[in-house]
Amino acid sequence: QSALTQPPSASGSPGQSVTISCAGTSSDVGAYNYVSWYQQHPGKAPKLIIYEVTQRSSGVPDRFSGSKSGNTASLTVSGLQAEDEAEYYCSSYAGSINTYVFGPGTMVTVL
Amino acid sequence: EVQLVQSGAEVKKPGESLKISCQGSGYEFGGWWIGWFRQMPGKGLEWMGIIYPHNSEAYYSPSFQGQVTISVDKSISTAYLQWSSLKASDSGMYYCARFSAPTLTANRFDPWGQGTLLTVSS
Repeated sequence: QSALTQPPSASGSPGQSVTISCAGTSSDVGAYNYVSWYQQHPGKAPKLIIYEVTQRSSGVPDRFSGSKSGNTASLTVSGLQAEDEAEYYCSSYAGSINTYVFGPGTMVTVL
Repeated sequence: EVQLVQSGAEVKKPGESLKISCQGSGYEFGGWWIGWFRQMPGKGLEWMGIIYPHNSEAYYSPSFQGQVTISVDKSISTAYLQWSSLKASDSGMYYCARFSAPTLTANRFDPWGQGTLLTVSS
């Protein structure tokens, strides 16, 4: 069972926006501004797209944005494109013992 | 270009030992932490542990402490993940990734290796 909670799936048509939530607790997401999002295409390695809640990794289009409110972080993909169809994982720093925890992933489908 | 290249797929029997590798290139290997992750079939990512190649300082997730050993050979820019006695439940994809931030709180793993698929079956 994953430490963070994500919806299993989300979808949108090309050009639309989709937002994925990532619910944690006051010990992880709520305690630190160290939430990251990773994109994983089928059969490929994960790729960092967002770190420190809102910072885009190098080369990531500005269609991807992150935010956080309380114990819940969110990833928004605006102007959906076919290549955005992938699994998205959120992750949070969770203190010196559990250190890095992940959500179960959200499959984004571009209709 | 910063790159991590992992060793190839493995098929092992329960009880056997195994060491998989992750070789870094394109950067000063000793100065950046390397993390290891498991992804079981059809499942999400799990952080296993992290090691600092400069001095081999390592930390483990409580879920993997005592189950695996993370080590490094700085002279060949390679990190390792090792099992002494494999179980069928160890089957999965294993990834290494460079920790790309100055402090371990930053939770920034980039880039990732291509993954090593482990199958443990009798």
